[in-house]
Amino acid sequence: QKEVEQDPGPLSVPEGAIVSLNCTYSNSAFQYFMWYRQYSRKGPELLMYTYSSGNKEDGRFTAQVDKSSKYISLFIRDSQPSDSATYLCAMSAGPGDSNYQLIWGAGTKLIIKP
Amino acid sequence: DGGITQSPKYLFRKEGQNVTLSCEQNLNHDAMYWYRQDPGQGLRLIYYSQIVNDFQKGDIAEGYSVSREKKESFPLTVTSAQKNPTAFYLCASERGQGFSPLHFGNGTRLTVT
Repeated sequence: QKEVEQDPGPLSVPEGAIVSLNCTYSNSAFQYFMWYRQYSRKGPELLMYTYSSGNKEDGRFTAQVDKSSKYISLFIRDSQPSDSATYLCAMSAGPGDSNYQLIWGAGTKLIIKP
Repeated sequence: DGGITQSPKYLFRKEGQNVTLSCEQNLNHDAMYWYRQDPGQGLRLIYYSQIVNDFQKGDIAEGYSVSREKKESFPLTVTSAQKNPTAFYLCASERGQGFSPLHFGNGTRLTVT
């Protein structure tokens, strides 16, 4: 079993829909959670970063962590065609300045249809 | 603009040949990383370097080698010992002080036949 599971998709939704992207994990020690966005033939870029449990909002994006269920989510409101990309979750037990310890999900490909 | 440059974008090699992938950054970042990305798998760490002249093996270092002679450069050599070298290779950097996001280059797609 992989430490981090992420549905590869593709997930196809109409423009304007609310999108929910998810990752599950098995290591209860994980406490740093990140979402990266990767456009086709490009490198990933950090979208959201959350420490421990709870929600974090940034514009149309909300990251949610449920440590009791070992489940993290990324919500995108009012989705746009420009949101079409692969979304990668990444997490670690920390400390926070240890990117070399990150465990990555396989990524979910999201397609927003105009 | 500051960023990470990976070259070439596409690389084709015959089996049994060593090949070197270039990674240069002008972000003045201390730490640099090499990842491999395969379909259906998460990014896997090959090597990382937190300071010049020092580097550490990641999870899948076998068949790869690196050097870090300059702060801005972190080339990766894929040797003939790497059994399945065809993949998308990503270089990244970060400040290396406290939490900071990884900044990625746009990758090199290596095909070995």
